[in-house]
Amino acid sequence: DQQVKQNSPSLSVQEGRISILNCDYTNSMFDYFLWYKKYPAEGPTFLISISSIKDKNEDGRFTVFLNKSAKHLSLHIVPSQPGDSAVYFCAASKKGAQKLVFGQGTRLTINP
Amino acid sequence: DVKVTQSSRYLVKRTGEKVFLECVQDMDHENMFWYRQDPGLGLRLIYFSYDVKMKEKGDIPEGYSVSREKKERFSLILESASTNQTSMYLCASSLSTGKGQPQHFGDGTRLSIL
Repeated sequence: DQQVKQNSPSLSVQEGRISILNCDYTNSMFDYFLWYKKYPAEGPTFLISISSIKDKNEDGRFTVFLNKSAKHLSLHIVPSQPGDSAVYFCAASKKGAQKLVFGQGTRLTINP
Repeated sequence: DVKVTQSSRYLVKRTGEKVFLECVQDMDHENMFWYRQDPGLGLRLIYFSYDVKMKEKGDIPEGYSVSREKKERFSLILESASTNQTSMYLCASSLSTGKGQPQHFGDGTRLSIL
């Protein structure tokens, strides 16, 4: 039972354009959401997070949007750069819980 | 910066062997986690620990056990390795204070069982 889903295995975007990565969840008990970025042969690194009391969080070129009614979140990267090429995982946690539930990942490729 | 170190980057073992994967973190984090990453499946939690000598099963604990004798070290044990345990194994740690503490990951161990 996949509680966190990233339905696009891959995404290709031109350098300088906006990249939008999507994530859906099914469990309404999730109240904290995170995005991780992973390069080959490295562990995932934390990128940005959002609490369920917010609908937007911004950090430089990265913005995460949360739509609780649709149980959907998205990560926007503007402008996209070649160094953004990586696999992106969204993750969710329940209130008071320490463990995360991860999506399957989306491979983002930024083309020059 | 948090440093999570996994003892081996690559490991090749034989079916039936007992395999130990070691993980050490240097930030005095209470929580430690073991995941495996497989194509199309994302990261799946095997076991986690929120304190020394404490452990809880994750989503796929079958065929694995763990040990946490010291706060900084969390070991994953494959009791009798099988070919379906060939995977990338990732260790992570996090603080317990507050909610939504990000987990910090090691660089992973790519394990092949022949």
